[in-house]
Amino acid sequence: GAVVSQHPSWVICKSGTSVKIECRSLDFQATTMFWYRQFPKQSLMLMATSNEGSKATYEQGVEKDKFLINHASLTLSTLTVTSAHPEDSSFYICSAGTGRRVGNEQFFGPGTRLTVL
Amino acid sequence: LAKTTQPISMDSYEGQEVNITCSHNNIATNDYITWYQQFPSQGPRFIIQGYKTKVTNEVASLFIPADRKSSTLSLPRVSLSDTAVYYCLVGELTGGFKTIFGAGTRLFVKA
Repeated sequence: GAVVSQHPSWVICKSGTSVKIECRSLDFQATTMFWYRQFPKQSLMLMATSNEGSKATYEQGVEKDKFLINHASLTLSTLTVTSAHPEDSSFYICSAGTGRRVGNEQFFGPGTRLTVL
Repeated sequence: LAKTTQPISMDSYEGQEVNITCSHNNIATNDYITWYQQFPSQGPRFIIQGYKTKVTNEVASLFIPADRKSSTLSLPRVSLSDTAVYYCLVGELTGGFKTIFGAGTRLFVKA
């Protein structure tokens, strides 16, 4: 099956610093990638939809200037948490769609645990 | 996007069959039903997807009645390792459809 990787798997940073998380589709081209955030014991919350070569579409309530998303190629999307604060500590998960009209399940990355001190 | 409703949690014992039902009363004509499994601190994993009637793969079956307003994920002979959160999602398959996760069902499998 299709594989999606994320890097790093976990990161600890000081408050006020920026953190970049990479999401890669390893064996397929992903025209669309999604970024989610998940707090403990809660469901995944969609943050933004990222299409290759265009600006990301953010969900209501998600600050686009704080969560910068770049989808520069069909296999790579990055999420940068700028000026991170403790409340940004969460589990960030990306997913990629294969683009097929049938069987178009999303493939999820393993997630990145962000802890802001 | 069609909203989904699932039981918050379920308990089972090893070796039993587990059926998790999801309600999606406002499912649209072009919507497919997809189920994912998530373990703690991991990304969701695709289990099964269907449009109508019954779909079966090596890990589960998906039953969808004619009106498609609900669906049932069936896990045969669960083991302890099936303890996880199961999400039912409904959406249109158009080149990476936007996915909204509901609360999911926490399945606890006991020995």
